[in-house]
Amino acid sequence: GDSVTQMEGPVTLSEEAFLTINCTYTATGYPSLFWYVQYPGEGLQLLLKATKADDKGSNKGFEATYRKETTSFHLEKGSVQVSDSAVYFCALGPRSGGSNYKLTFGKGTLLTVNP
Amino acid sequence: GAVVSQHPSRVICKSGTSVKIECRSLDFQATTMFWYRQFPKQSLMLMATSNEGSKATYEQGVEKDKFLINHASLTLSTLTVTSAHPEDSSFYICSARDLGGGSTDTQYFGPGTRLTVL
Repeated sequence: GDSVTQMEGPVTLSEEAFLTINCTYTATGYPSLFWYVQYPGEGLQLLLKATKADDKGSNKGFEATYRKETTSFHLEKGSVQVSDSAVYFCALGPRSGGSNYKLTFGKGTLLTVNP
Repeated sequence: GAVVSQHPSRVICKSGTSVKIECRSLDFQATTMFWYRQFPKQSLMLMATSNEGSKATYEQGVEKDKFLINHASLTLSTLTVTSAHPEDSSFYICSARDLGGGSTDTQYFGPGTRLTVL
């Protein structure tokens, strides 16, 4: 079945440091890929997504590129801020939907950014 | 992006009582909604898929008689935790599927409901 593996946390960085959170996947077919962010005490927010190979999703300075050859969707940000402290989830979903549509999530990576 | 609301955001109840949580898609119609339970150390567990006008599909190990799901309209799904016990205390999150046309099939999440059973 489908699965998502993302790097174990927690990750602790200083403000303005470079961030990479690795995410790899296994899937049948041709999935869509997502990064969600969860701030303390809140639900998940869609951060970015990509629906086909070589697509780059970007939002709020975060980027991730859909790499089919390496089955990866690593999240990056050039300069993190304290406000980026949150849990980040990588997820995949069937691209074309259908009645059995559901997301497969990684276990989440806790990021803490210190001033 | 699309907005999904949940109500209440926090509830405390006595053991043996039932609690209803509402999930609404505010600016789109959702034929499919999902209910998750989040455990400590952030792990998300899909409990069930809620389909408008039909019975929910429960994941293996989730008691359908304990976690009642109703999806009565294209913008509302409810989760009722019946005869709640302390072990049901958790953070419950719903999401709604926005088909949006074409390849933009995306799930949007509510803010979550913190349930504490005394």
